[in-house]
Amino acid sequence: DAGVIQSPRHEVTEMGQEVTLRCKPISGHDYLFWYRQTMMRGLELLIYFNNNVPIDDSGMPEDRFSAKMPNASFSTLKIQPSEPRDSAVYFCASSDNNEQFFGPGTRLTVL
Amino acid sequence: AQKITQTQPGMFVQEKEAVTLDCTYDTSDPSYGLFWYKQPSSGEMIFLIYQGSYDQQNATEGRYSLNFQKARKSANLVISASQLGDSAMYFCAMREGEGGNNRLAFGKGNQVVVIP
Repeated sequence: DAGVIQSPRHEVTEMGQEVTLRCKPISGHDYLFWYRQTMMRGLELLIYFNNNVPIDDSGMPEDRFSAKMPNASFSTLKIQPSEPRDSAVYFCASSDNNEQFFGPGTRLTVL
Repeated sequence: AQKITQTQPGMFVQEKEAVTLDCTYDTSDPSYGLFWYKQPSSGEMIFLIYQGSYDQQNATEGRYSLNFQKARKSANLVISASQLGDSAMYFCAMREGEGGNNRLAFGKGNQVVVIP
């Protein structure tokens, strides 16, 4: 298996632009997680899905953030409009039991 | 309240020696799971080892072992025979509740540098 796939790996955008991050989980995994990692706040869970249904979105910082999982093999995290404080590494992870397997992350820079 | 505490400063360890990374946790749930992840400078998060709260034995995976002391609420990671490739940030995490997929709470991490 290729593991969790994320795209793009790096994204540089200007404040106010829409940003869409993409994730393909490991085939057969029922759970998908979106995390954000910054120096100040460490690794934070934003939202997670079970069988494509959002279960817990309490970590989503504000209405500018939205996440979807239209099918078992694809999820998006969208920021609209983006702000400089959104600059971080965004990880997607998937799981079928205990351990979560992480993708390589998307490094987002908002200028 | 912080659920996972990792307070050690950055550590230097000599190649081939063992290193212990401290992790304490806080939960009132009798069922929980503890995880360790490695994050090298390249940025990916690599799963290392898992310990369930009801497991009688300490978890081991190759050179990694977890020193689980339930009464003290500690789950220290021991890396034996350190290698240069072990240089990384190490994160302790906890999942509360049954099943495999409630949210994970991560600690702030421990920095390890292995020197030749």
